[in-house]
Amino acid sequence: GAGVSQSPSNKVTEKGKDVELRCDPISGHTALYWYRQSLGQGLEFLIYFQGNSAPDKSGLPSDRFSAERTGGSVSTLTIQRTQQEDSAVYLCASSLALPSEQFFGPGTRLTVL
Amino acid sequence: EDQVTQSPEALRLQEGESSSLNCSYTVSGLRGLFWYRQDPGKGPEFLFTLYSAGEEKEKERLKATLTKKESFLHITAPKPEDSATYLCAVRPTDSWGKLQFGAGTQVVVTP
Repeated sequence: GAGVSQSPSNKVTEKGKDVELRCDPISGHTALYWYRQSLGQGLEFLIYFQGNSAPDKSGLPSDRFSAERTGGSVSTLTIQRTQQEDSAVYLCASSLALPSEQFFGPGTRLTVL
Repeated sequence: EDQVTQSPEALRLQEGESSSLNCSYTVSGLRGLFWYRQDPGKGPEFLFTLYSAGEEKEKERLKATLTKKESFLHITAPKPEDSATYLCAVRPTDSWGKLQFGAGTQVVVTP
């Protein structure tokens, strides 16, 4: 079946602009996660959604970052007033439920000029 | 504080030369240790989950083992297509959702 998909695959933006990154999880998966992978650093947890529960936002680095999940499926990660330090690969994952294995999408490479 | 440390940072192997990667962790009450493989420009690919000391999982040339303080990923008779970064992750003490990842081991297998 289809895996996790993310769009766009690459995004180049100017400092100060807002960006939206999209994630389509595997069909039937109730949990959805966002991570960030910066050059030279490991994967860093950002936020996760599980069903209708309140999301765990404990990994969001600042209030410029937000995410929503509509209809229990597609999720959008929004970064407002982007900074150069936001440049990274943003990875989305989904799992059948908590605490099942997480399956990752290909990522969105964000470059802030 | 929960920590995940992988060693070595990089490993260069000849085809057929078996080796092991290490993942040591400090977590109060392990609730799953995960191994992923990541190819350049792609997202991590799930390999194994281990829950209990003594548990072992195998897939082709890969075998993962777990003790109370560390996990090993053994690569037996590797082939060039096993070249990738191997990531280890644990569930931190305060969450059932998020994973805490190590920095990874970059493996290069030459013909």
